[in-house]
Amino acid sequence: QQPVQSPQAVILREGEDAVINCSSSKALYSVHWYRQKHGEAPVFLMILLKGGEQKGHEKISASFNEKKQQSSLYLTASQLSYSGTYFCGTGDSQGGSEKLVFGKGTKLTVNP
Amino acid sequence: NAGVMQNPRHLVRRRGQEARLRCSPMKGHSHVYWYRQLPEEGLKFMVYLQKENIIDESGMPKERFSAEFPKEGPSILRIQQVVRGDSAAYFCASSPRRGRAGELFFGEGSRLTVL
Repeated sequence: QQPVQSPQAVILREGEDAVINCSSSKALYSVHWYRQKHGEAPVFLMILLKGGEQKGHEKISASFNEKKQQSSLYLTASQLSYSGTYFCGTGDSQGGSEKLVFGKGTKLTVNP
Repeated sequence: NAGVMQNPRHLVRRRGQEARLRCSPMKGHSHVYWYRQLPEEGLKFMVYLQKENIIDESGMPKERFSAEFPKEGPSILRIQQVVRGDSAAYFCASSPRRGRAGELFFGEGSRLTVL
């Protein structure tokens, strides 16, 4: 099942913070976050694994609540370059190289 | 180290024609995924392949769509007798290995327009 992302869209001024949420009705092994700019490929930001391991971006952090099957992406002191659509992708397999099921995305616009 | 290469970037077909989309994964990557994206929508999983094997095709429409990843050469997503509803961006992603969930590397996508 497709994870649900909220909010659908966010508009910020440069320097403001934002939180994007992702929730699933299924038990999760991993949550992945990607950012896609218009007309471009999605770019990897962060992966959070069951058990607390986290790999990703320096200026972006995230949390993964396994019990609630939720993840949140925290964007602090946003920059113009943060604009784009953010997708969470959820995986339910520990076998590795799993397929990801992506949410519909959260469109973030950062204005000067 | 070249990234995931997809071609063509843009493809226009008339209804009833065939579309072939190609994906060359990153060097050393043996796992390929195809996703479809409609305007203002998320990425919808279609198929997961390893060399010469289809691992998961649960997202592929039952008819007209097929995918392969031969021992030599790129992965190919084939759409026969295209219809207007097939118009979308098709993204390919690759990853290096099984054993641990990791990053997917996406190509720039192939944008199919059906007239």
